[in-house]
Amino acid sequence: AQTVTQSQPEMSVQEAETVTLSCTYDTSESNYYLFWYKQPPSRQMILVIRQEAYKQQNATENRFSVNFQKAAKSFSLKISDSQLGDTAMYFCAFMKRPFGTSGTYKYIFGTGTRLKVLA
Amino acid sequence: EAGVAQSPRYKIIEKRQSVAFWCNPISGHATLYWYQQILGQGPKLLIQFQNNGVVDDSQLPKDRFSAERLKGVDSTLKIQPAKLEDSAVYLCASSPITRRGADTEVFFGQGTRLTVV
Repeated sequence: AQTVTQSQPEMSVQEAETVTLSCTYDTSESNYYLFWYKQPPSRQMILVIRQEAYKQQNATENRFSVNFQKAAKSFSLKISDSQLGDTAMYFCAFMKRPFGTSGTYKYIFGTGTRLKVLA
Repeated sequence: EAGVAQSPRYKIIEKRQSVAFWCNPISGHATLYWYQQILGQGPKLLIQFQNNGVVDDSQLPKDRFSAERLKGVDSTLKIQPAKLEDSAVYLCASSPITRRGADTEVFFGQGTRLTVV
């Protein structure tokens, strides 16, 4: 069974600074996806960034980037130039790669890291 | 495009009462999920539909929870009777199936916050 662990329940960062959120996972699968989702207070969860396990290059999306260490099963999120709007719960998630056009899949979420950006 | 719609946003009920939540996924999305998010925890999958068929309900407490997705569009999740430990946010999500296969991004609704007293 797959598990996702986020060991930092809460973090804070000063506006414009950089912060890194940690995530480790456990799986015996070789084909999978990893994600970071953001859940702002009282708003829906949205995708921040995704990484395909077979790609060695780390994914980046504007100020968000990941450090994907497949052998260590580590998937951290770096937020550069933090903004007040980055204040949210951040969830790391794992998904086994489905097969074919009708393959089924499901996400396994970590427990989340609450990030507060300070003015 | 319109997002995943859920109603109600909030619900307070007494234990042993019943409650129902409604979800309308993004138009054209074949896969629909119901997640339970207890305070301080990550979302836990309760049930997953592909069109109107159930593909995973292994974590659904079937003695009290039920869900349906008639006609493969909107869905209803019911709890009967509710227990105190059912207090949580119930998230509905959907995703498309593209020509490449199942897409990986899941789109979430705002959730229904249930409080059982």
